Formats: sequence, structure tokens, C-alpha cells
Amino acid sequence: EAGVVQSPRYKIIEKKQPVAFWCNPISGHNTLYWYLQNLGQGPELLIRYENEEAVDDSQLPKDRFSAERLKGVDSTLKIQPAELGDSAVYLCASSPGTDYEQYFGPGTRLTVT
Amino acid sequence: AQSVTQLDSQVPVFEEAPVELRCNYSSSVSVYLFWYVQYPNQGLQLLLKYLSGSTLVKGINGFEAEFNKSQTSFHLRKPSVHISDTAEYFCAVRRYNFNKFYFGSGTKLNVKP
Repeated sequence: EAGVVQSPRYKIIEKKQPVAFWCNPISGHNTLYWYLQNLGQGPELLIRYENEEAVDDSQLPKDRFSAERLKGVDSTLKIQPAELGDSAVYLCASSPGTDYEQYFGPGTRLTVT
Repeated sequence: AQSVTQLDSQVPVFEEAPVELRCNYSSSVSVYLFWYVQYPNQGLQLLLKYLSGSTLVKGINGFEAEFNKSQTSFHLRKPSVHISDTAEYFCAVRRYNFNKFYFGSGTKLNVKP
């Protein structure tokens, strides 16, 4: 069984530029999460999807961040414009239902210069 | 909101020695508890989980953890560590009826030869 796939693995951009991250969850997993992991910290939830519906986006900075999960499968997280403080690892995770543990992708390491 | 405290940011230990990584959480309601491991440049991998039943939980790679409700703790232990256990370990908690995970800030385990 393939795991959670994320791309790109690494991204370096200049501040004020846009950037997008892509996530393909494990097949059949209805729940998809995007997390932000700052250096030396644990993951913090940005947004959670149940199928194509964003059911928890309370921690998503909506002035610059957006996300979508079309057809309830793949998801894209976008930042526009990026700021220096956005440098971090962005993790995607999926789970088959609300009572199960999460399966994480390898993450995208973003560096904003 | 829940909070998860991992008191030790770094734990150095010699190979074949025992180790305990501490995790305390704050919650007035029943919770599920998890330990994840993160190797460099990889996503998080589930080590073990406590959902209900026996308070002693065994996981992969010889790790185990004990749920202590009165002390709101979920400490991770291994009787004899290997060099390959060098990684960062995260404790996480979620409420029974709310699908949101809260992670601690992580403990870096450094196993020395």
C-alpha cells in the first residue's frame, strides 16, 4: 500500500512569492490533515478535511493561506504571498475515519528568503 | 483545548541502556494517546497508541508506554535502546469525541555508542 505522497519535498522561494504544496493521501482515506511544523516544535493543525469539506480550518491564516481538496482525494495548500516566518515543514496526513490514527507524508520543507 | 507537555527536549543515552521519555497532558475529558517517531527528513510514524483497556501499551521497535490517568501521563519506555532509535519522539492526544490532535514539542533521543 502506498503511503501519503507529498510534493515537492523541498522548496526555496523569495518572500512575497506564491507557493503551493500537493498531497495525495492513502487510497480510501476520507480524512486529510495539513499541519505546520516549525523547527523544534510538534505539528500544529492548519486544516482538516472530511472528504471534500473543510471541517476545521480555525488555525489557517486565511489572509494568505488557502487550501482545497477537490473530489475528496488530493489536496493543495497555497501561500500567497509568502513571508519569512512561513519557513517550516508542511506535513500532510490522512486517516480512514475519525477514530483512527493518522498516517503522515514526508513533508515539504519550505524556506522563504 | 488540550495541551501536551514533553518535559525533556533532548535525552542522551548510551546504547543498550534503558530510556524513558516523559509526556504529560491536560484534559478534563477522556482522551486517546499516541506516540510518534520522526526520523530526519521524514514524516511522523506511529509507535503506539492507547485507546482503551490495558494501561500498558506495546508498540513497534520494542517500545511501550503506560497510561496513568491520575497523573495524566503517558510515558514512553524501552528497556534497551539501539543506535537506530536516534530520532525525535512526539506525544499526541485527542479527545474521544473530537477529531483534533494536539502534539507535544518533541523529545530528541540521541543514542550514543
